[in-house]
Amino acid sequence: EADIYQTPRYLVIGTGKKITLECSQTMGHDKMYWYQQDPGMELHLIHYSYGVNSTEKGDLSSESTVSRIRTEHFPLTLESARPSHTSQYLCASSRRAGLGTDTQYFGPGTRLTVL
Amino acid sequence: AQKVTQAQTEISVVEKEDVTLDCVYETRDTTYYLFWYKQPPSGELVFLIRRNSFDEQNEISGRYSWNFQKSTSSFNFTITASQVVDSAVYFCALSEAGSQGNLIFGKGTKLSVKP
Repeated sequence: EADIYQTPRYLVIGTGKKITLECSQTMGHDKMYWYQQDPGMELHLIHYSYGVNSTEKGDLSSESTVSRIRTEHFPLTLESARPSHTSQYLCASSRRAGLGTDTQYFGPGTRLTVL
Repeated sequence: AQKVTQAQTEISVVEKEDVTLDCVYETRDTTYYLFWYKQPPSGELVFLIRRNSFDEQNEISGRYSWNFQKSTSSFNFTITASQVVDSAVYFCALSEAGSQGNLIFGKGTKLSVKP
């Protein structure tokens, strides 16, 4: 059972606002991820981190930025939200940062609507 | 290149029917991992199963079963005696050993189970 939290669960904001989506995990996982899920269901990796002070861009270009100052915390920030950013954002974490693959566990997601 | 194909976009069944969700993958690696996740209407992705490429044994967990066949590059998921609570979007995913744990998701299959 995974303990990974995202806040807020739902957010409706106006264009041009700065927002931060929070993601925290209590499992001590090294690696964390952000996915964007469009209304057609497809999942796109937008950012990931191997550990503290590590951030990498994913497969889908995103205007958002991330930071990893603490192992358990991986916030995502949009400096100026636009309607095209309307989506569901899912955070995930996994145990190992090295070679091989460990299971990713997901948070409940944040549904963002930009008006 | 790695790729996951879930050819069935939507499936609708009546409760108690058996249903199989197809997943076909492409990879050049000999070591890789396959996953299934469930996404109920609430939005979070729930981990169901992880298999590595060296373990072709089929797995059964309650009403769920998975059929892994390397010869056809498939990792199909069967729900026996489906229930309304099985209604969700199901994602198949692939990770290669050298990919640092990053997942490639299929586009998902939306399963609707009618009472």
